[in-house]
Amino acid sequence: DAMVIQNPRYQVTQFGKPVTLSCSQTLNHNVMYWYQQKSSQAPKLLFHYYDKDFNNEADTPDNFQSRRPNTSFCFLDIRSPGLGDAAMYLCATSRDQGGSTYEQYFGPGTRLTVT
Amino acid sequence: GDSVTQMEGPVTLSEEAFLTINCTYTATGYPSLFWYVQYPGEGLQLLLKATKADDKGSNKGFEATYRKETTSFHLEKGSVQVSDSAVYFCALSPRGAGGTSYGKLTFGQGTILTVHP
Repeated sequence: DAMVIQNPRYQVTQFGKPVTLSCSQTLNHNVMYWYQQKSSQAPKLLFHYYDKDFNNEADTPDNFQSRRPNTSFCFLDIRSPGLGDAAMYLCATSRDQGGSTYEQYFGPGTRLTVT
Repeated sequence: GDSVTQMEGPVTLSEEAFLTINCTYTATGYPSLFWYVQYPGEGLQLLLKATKADDKGSNKGFEATYRKETTSFHLEKGSVQVSDSAVYFCALSPRGAGGTSYGKLTFGQGTILTVHP
């Protein structure tokens, strides 16, 4: 089945130690998104890629970076995690063709713990 | 800017009860509307959607109708089950966005539903 995969499902890192979260998709969607979600709150969009074009949300801290080496993969890098960065991180994809964007498909998320 | 407001939660029901979760929105133009469901420890799953006025989205016994006159997209189910216990998010996306918004979702705050046997 076509899907969005996130690895690992659970990640523990130390305060200040860089960490990378991974997302891959078999849907061949051209748009990929990264969200941060805390405690059953609404997901907060961090940034997204439209093809190779990176789009950062205005309030996303510089501590968060992303890479998209190809259509299928996208990475979230947290350069110096703080305790406040502990959250669920969700990857999503969608297809945008000819100005019409379709619904987003979400991965299962990575639960990040910062010790 | 765009916004979505959901009814205050949490909602607690007995099995087989009728469910309504209210959702209203503010947006320019004609957005697409969605309901997503999130089970404990999982990502969001698309439950249903509607892309134009008077459209009814339905899935797994859940329904919601796009009401432009009242800017609402209320979620309903006639008989809930214990397995429906989850967090429900109403969301909108500018339709035919292309451009810089790229179908960016605006979420409501989420409603926690608990169904007891």
